[in-house]
Amino acid sequence: SYELTQPLSVSVALGQTARISCGGNNIGTKNVHWYQQKPGQAPVLVIYRDSNRPSGIPERFSGSNSGNTATLTITGAQAGDEADYYCQVWDSSTAKVFGTGTKVTVL
Amino acid sequence: EVQLVESGGGLVQPGGSLRLSCAASGFTFTSYAMSWVRQAPGKGLEWVSAISGSGDYTYYADSVKGRFTISRDNSKNTLYLQMNSLRAEDTALYYCAKEYYYGSGSYSGASYFDYWGQGTLVTVSS
Repeated sequence: SYELTQPLSVSVALGQTARISCGGNNIGTKNVHWYQQKPGQAPVLVIYRDSNRPSGIPERFSGSNSGNTATLTITGAQAGDEADYYCQVWDSSTAKVFGTGTKVTVL
Repeated sequence: EVQLVESGGGLVQPGGSLRLSCAASGFTFTSYAMSWVRQAPGKGLEWVSAISGSGDYTYYADSVKGRFTISRDNSKNTLYLQMNSLRAEDTALYYCAKEYYYGSGSYSGASYFDYWGQGTLVTVSS
């Protein structure tokens, strides 16, 4: 089965850049999607198909994907960006897979 | 405005059954695949099952295959999840999610979740 690995936590100073990795075998050949989940709330799509932002998502959220790692970048992190973040792919053998999740703390 | 409202959760004994529902509005329901995603207390997201817009194609996670059945009633804009032989490890918040399919041809699962409901809690305990 296909697996996605994320760091347990990432800390970032207010206004600085946070990078959240999502590792998987040849993930660069797949479409990666990212979700933000704040405490007590449902997940929200923040990046789809590697690097596309849905309407209403701030420009400070961006994504990239190459080789064995996809990355979600938050440029100029705000206090409101504190949340759990999950990557997700579709794999032909495993169907839909979520990453392990990363807790982002803004200091 | 897209709205997804789940219902049907509750406390059930191990080995019991439960049927979840998700009432959808604000979009052409029959045109979109739908999924159930769950989250155990304090844990990450786990995809459970998906169904194509027509209902012709269904997919399941290995952890629920043979026990859960996904279905939809397009005349009622409602998604269902029939859960049988429930186990303690099925305890979770169950989300209904609308999919945006970007694959080619018939539904194959290549999609992302663009809208989510608020979830319904299922607790399996004696």
